[in-house]
Amino acid sequence: NAGVTQTPKFQVLKTGQSMTLQCAQDMNHNSMYWYRQDPGMGLRLIYYSASEGTTDKGEVPNGYNVSRLNKREFSLRLESAAPSQTSVYFCASSDTGGSYEQYFGPGTRLTVT
Amino acid sequence: KQEVTQIPAALSVPEGENLVLNCSFTDSAIYNLQWFRQDPGKGLTSLLLIQSSQREQTSGRLNASLDKSSGRSTLYIAASQPGDSATYLCASSAGNKLTFGGGTRVLVKP
Repeated sequence: NAGVTQTPKFQVLKTGQSMTLQCAQDMNHNSMYWYRQDPGMGLRLIYYSASEGTTDKGEVPNGYNVSRLNKREFSLRLESAAPSQTSVYFCASSDTGGSYEQYFGPGTRLTVT
Repeated sequence: KQEVTQIPAALSVPEGENLVLNCSFTDSAIYNLQWFRQDPGKGLTSLLLIQSSQREQTSGRLNASLDKSSGRSTLYIAASQPGDSATYLCASSAGNKLTFGGGTRVLVKP
């Protein structure tokens, strides 16, 4: 039982490059989330998917797109990376109709130069 | 808009002392409150979740209380150990959306 997995663990991009962060969960959870964590700003929600086939914006969605590929997988895409997107990105999942307890992946550390 | 605050931002205690970590929130209409632990360079590990109808939850040396009327939650860690050194985050939930506090960085000195 791996829980929530994320790839890659580390990435360095040049300004303007694109990339996709991958997330998968094996807990059969309905909801999945993408957060970013920055010093002094805490954890902020970028996008979430309450169930397969739906996605919604969080607090800081600008510059990002998401895809809920199936119940297990939720990806985050940066179309044209900017230095302001340098951050640590966390994926999480939770069940719905119960406690909504969220479980987090190990994170992706992204640097945009 | 919900705001979650954790004070102090950092705390240092000698081994064996009990830890008391505070979390306050502005909107009492929460679904639950979750406490996490984060080690440097790692993800978040869920420690305890308190439903809005509950007053407290316990797991081993950890006890978390919730007082919705005053907008406060407290995490108690009994008999602290150096391995408890980490950042502790609380987050209030409005259904499936979490609002995080800034965290309290804890150092337990041997």
